[in-house]
Amino acid sequence: DSGVTQTPKHLITATGQRVTLRCSPRSGDLSVYWYQQSLDQGLQFLIHYYNGEERAKGNILERFSAQQFPDLHSELNLSSLELGDSALYFCASSPLRAGELFFGEGSRLTVL
Amino acid sequence: GEDVEQSLFLSVREGDSSVINCTYTDSSSTYLYWYKQEPGAGLQLLTYIFSNMDMKQDQRLTVLLNKKDKHLSLRIADTQTGDSAIYFCAESKEPGNMLTFGGGTRLMVKP
Repeated sequence: DSGVTQTPKHLITATGQRVTLRCSPRSGDLSVYWYQQSLDQGLQFLIHYYNGEERAKGNILERFSAQQFPDLHSELNLSSLELGDSALYFCASSPLRAGELFFGEGSRLTVL
Repeated sequence: GEDVEQSLFLSVREGDSSVINCTYTDSSSTYLYWYKQEPGAGLQLLTYIFSNMDMKQDQRLTVLLNKKDKHLSLRIADTQTGDSAIYFCAESKEPGNMLTFGGGTRLMVKP
């Protein structure tokens, strides 16, 4: 158990819909990262938050947004969903020591 | 092109050594990592190495870094069936930066 909690574990929805994925980092970790894992694109970095502020953006679509709240949990919002958004979405947190990331078990999103 | 590359698949027999290779393109990569992903699970950090090191050993795991060739390898001694998983190589420029992952190498261990 990495200490990072993600909900929901599985989510099935239709094209055009909007979903919110939630992440609770390990106790004391201020950094939260979101990654998307798909068969054709591998693990793609989406966005990084540190103590409530956005620190870096990767290959995140404009239809996607994220935020980190004062209690340090983070949410990833995916809107106008397309079939190609089906993937495993991972959240990771970091104590900023050597950059090691601790990953949650992921949220598997299926868009039908 | 990809920043971090790995071969897709490796098959070994139980008890043999496994060597998983990775190449990266960015010479400013400072930290290099190996993560393991078992089916249905998240990524688990196995080990990491700083770019000023050549080798790091941790029980059955040995990491070798050739900075000149930008080549990283992970050797697993006495490979067990429980080592079957996908292994990801990753790099970052400094602590707290995002990690760039390779495509992963699927290791299959045959009994």
